[in-house]
Amino acid sequence: AQSVAQPEDQVNVAEGNPLTVKCTYSVSGNPYLFWYVQYPNRGLQFLLKYITGDNLVKGSYGFEAEFNKSQTSFHLKKPSALVSDSALYFCAVSRGTGANNLFFGTGTRLTVIP
Amino acid sequence: DTGVSQNPRHKITKRGQNVTFRCDPISEHNRLYWYRQTLGQGPEFLTYFQNEAQLEKSRLLSDRFSAERPKGSFSTLEIQRTEQGDSAMYLCASSSGQYNSPLHFGNGTRLTVT
Repeated sequence: AQSVAQPEDQVNVAEGNPLTVKCTYSVSGNPYLFWYVQYPNRGLQFLLKYITGDNLVKGSYGFEAEFNKSQTSFHLKKPSALVSDSALYFCAVSRGTGANNLFFGTGTRLTVIP
Repeated sequence: DTGVSQNPRHKITKRGQNVTFRCDPISEHNRLYWYRQTLGQGPEFLTYFQNEAQLEKSRLLSDRFSAERPKGSFSTLEIQRTEQGDSAMYLCASSSGQYNSPLHFGNGTRLTVT
């Protein structure tokens, strides 16, 4: 079975400060991990993914994520937060069977304070 | 706009009525997914098509739900005898056939059952 945990429902950060949104996972076999962002009344937008290779993955809008196998984590990071980054962020894991079926966490609401 | 398109954006219906939603995926994508998202939760997988074949259905997909993708292009999701618990955002996503390619989501159809 696979699962994703996002331990923080809400993260607040001041504009210009670095941000981190946490994600831990549980999956049998190799993990395939994704981050998506959702703006109000919109669908999810893909930010980045980890399949294999470098543990630091770079994605859209200046976001990056660090895969840590020993801690089973895949935290989302950005060096300098923007007010426009305020949104709902979802971590997801794929079973890796090729079906691309994603299992999502419950989401973390990021608020960047001007 | 060549993204995933969903119609209608909003649907309000009375309990017991049938509703049908439509999803038009990105044209070159052969995989299509339906997810359901309730308030405060991440999207939950419902079903998945590769071309016209429905390859997987979640146990969440009761016998009142049916999905089709008759020509491997657009898809419909029908809910019969709607219940108040069906109120949710229904998200459609598509992806290419490449292994672990990201899912591209539409903006969803918000269903309210009164």
